Amino acid sequence: GAGVSQSPRYKVAKRGQDVALRCDPISGHVSLFWYQQALGQGPEFLTYFQNEAQLDKSGLPSDRFFAERPEGSVSTLKIQRTQQEDSAVYLCATLGRGSLNTGELFFGEGSRLTVL
Amino acid sequence: DAKTTQPTSMDCAEGRAANLPCNHSTISGNEYVYWYRQIHSQGPQYIIHGLKNNETNEMASLIITEDRKSSTLILPHATLRDTAVYYCIVRSTGANNLFFGTGTRLTVIP
Repeated sequence: GAGVSQSPRYKVAKRGQDVALRCDPISGHVSLFWYQQALGQGPEFLTYFQNEAQLDKSGLPSDRFFAERPEGSVSTLKIQRTQQEDSAVYLCATLGRGSLNTGELFFGEGSRLTVL
Repeated sequence: DAKTTQPTSMDCAEGRAANLPCNHSTISGNEYVYWYRQIHSQGPQYIIHGLKNNETNEMASLIITEDRKSSTLILPHATLRDTAVYYCIVRSTGANNLFFGTGTRLTVIP
């Protein structure tokens, strides 16, 4: 596609529900990042993939958060037993081979999660 | 990666130049300065980056001081569509993580 696509754009979950957020990267982009952005704050790093390998998951806030990218393309961020503090915008970003030198990340529009 | 300090907010008159400062006094030799912006309800957008020399592209200019401890992003003719949060980020080559901080909220006033 032309850009990074994320779905759903908006998700309302009851506390304790599991949610799954999807990211469709720009075709051919090998590096994929997930960020969490709380209201009024800058994005905070969650995890990083290179192709299907999850190389850094140091930013995941708890073991309720799990990300995967099984075929090195689409990625899913799963949050189990959601809590109110999980309410945030979840941003996906990708980096292509051509932009490896520039370090230019391409971001999706994000998935806004609200936990009631 | 080194951290940055930016003013919380700034205003700029439409059509005038917007100069957004950033301090990065602990920057090390292999770290680049990146600027991104985030318009309301959108994901961040790359603007420009540089190491030592000043840089210019179709969106903006980046002026880096000789000691590299600070930089300024210049939008030469601000428009209403430039209203956004602007993030100054220091990143070393190959680093996976971008540390965004809270940025500067720029409001362009008609």
